[in-house]
Amino acid sequence: EADIYQTPRYLVIGTGKKITLECSQTMGHDKMYWYQQDPGMELHLIHYSYGVNSTEKGDLSSESTVSRIRTEHFPLTLESARPSHTSQYLCASKLGGSEAFFGQGTRLTVV
Amino acid sequence: AQTVTQSQPEMSVQEAETVTLSCTYDTSENNYYLFWYKQPPSRQMILVIRQEAYKQQNATENRFSVNFQKAAKSFSLKISDSQLGDTAMYFCAFRSYNTDKLIFGTGTRLQVFP
Repeated sequence: EADIYQTPRYLVIGTGKKITLECSQTMGHDKMYWYQQDPGMELHLIHYSYGVNSTEKGDLSSESTVSRIRTEHFPLTLESARPSHTSQYLCASKLGGSEAFFGQGTRLTVV
Repeated sequence: AQTVTQSQPEMSVQEAETVTLSCTYDTSENNYYLFWYKQPPSRQMILVIRQEAYKQQNATENRFSVNFQKAAKSFSLKISDSQLGDTAMYFCAFRSYNTDKLIFGTGTRLQVFP
């Protein structure tokens, strides 16, 4: 089993709140990713990082932001949550050209 | 732009039987990778099998094998001797050779019945 962890697993929060979804990996992977997955839909890349202090936006536009201050940590933040942000968020990491390992995901519900 | 299509939203199979999940893709590139990922109810996505486009031989991992038809841009997954633990969402994914961004299909929900 991959050593990549996401917390919380489930989050229900009110509109307008600031939230941070955590993602950590203990494998020393340089590349990390955030995907958004709506129910019954494919995963869409929203952010990625190729190393410390490197972050890029993915293919799907997102109001969230990310940071990569440490290699092992890649948190995702929503400054003001809205119902449209309700989704499953999956974090992944990989080393160089190897394959990606995924976390268990965070299911976010904004009410 | 590359696209991945999974035309079977749901499939079911009886335990010990064989099932095939379909995937087609579109790309103008010649070098790329194709993957099948499994996402069980616990939600952690797991890599099932990987195929490199330049290899003609179909990849096999125990009970899982693929039928890779490069000219037809088809990449189906065959699960033999299905087990209850195979129940999951299965995603087909594409990655270009010179990038590490994965492009996913919409998934196929597989239910294995006893």
